[in-house]
Amino acid sequence: AQSVTQPDIHITVSEGASLELRCNYSYGATPYLFWYVQSPGQGLQLLLKYFSGDTLVQGIKGFEAEFKRSQSSFNLRKPSVHWSDAAEYFCAVDRRRALTFGSGTRLQVQP
Amino acid sequence: SAVISQKPSRDICQRGTSLTIQCQVDSQVTMMFWYRQQPGQSLTLIATANQGSEATYESGFVIDKFPISRPNLTFSTLTVSNMSPEDSSIYLCSVQLSWDAGPGELFFGEGSRLTVL
Repeated sequence: AQSVTQPDIHITVSEGASLELRCNYSYGATPYLFWYVQSPGQGLQLLLKYFSGDTLVQGIKGFEAEFKRSQSSFNLRKPSVHWSDAAEYFCAVDRRRALTFGSGTRLQVQP
Repeated sequence: SAVISQKPSRDICQRGTSLTIQCQVDSQVTMMFWYRQQPGQSLTLIATANQGSEATYESGFVIDKFPISRPNLTFSTLTVSNMSPEDSSIYLCSVQLSWDAGPGELFFGEGSRLTVL
């Protein structure tokens, strides 16, 4: 069955520093992969998605992610983090139009 | 995009009672899902709400505990029955707007935070 693993439960970065959140997937074929963000008291918002083609995908809020089949990974990156990026980030894989989510990574941003 | 309204946004309930959560979307959607997010945990799919027919439940979730209705293309309800403290969670409604939207193009409500005493 499709699944995703987020190895980092909690990450703290300084404002202005770069960010990389890890996501590994388990799936036989090419998966449909997503990153969602959940800000405090908010619903989930789609940051970006990968279906096929270019392995580097751009999303909203300056985020990007790279699909690496050889590593079964879909890591999320941002070159310069802003304090407003503090949130919970979820990697997800499509499963018959619903989604299976990873356990999430909580991002804390220090001033 | 879609505007998804969930009611109630939060509630505190007594053990043994039931609560119905409503999900209203401002446009017709093809698919609606209900997720549960237990404290400090990720999201787990409860069921797919099918318009005009019985919901499709995931392993570990049953209709007697989580009856779901979807009378039309814009509205669904989830009932949490005979609640226990283990049911304390955020329940989220999620929708896919159309079949043309790619897989995973889901929009989420802000959730209903349920605390069971």
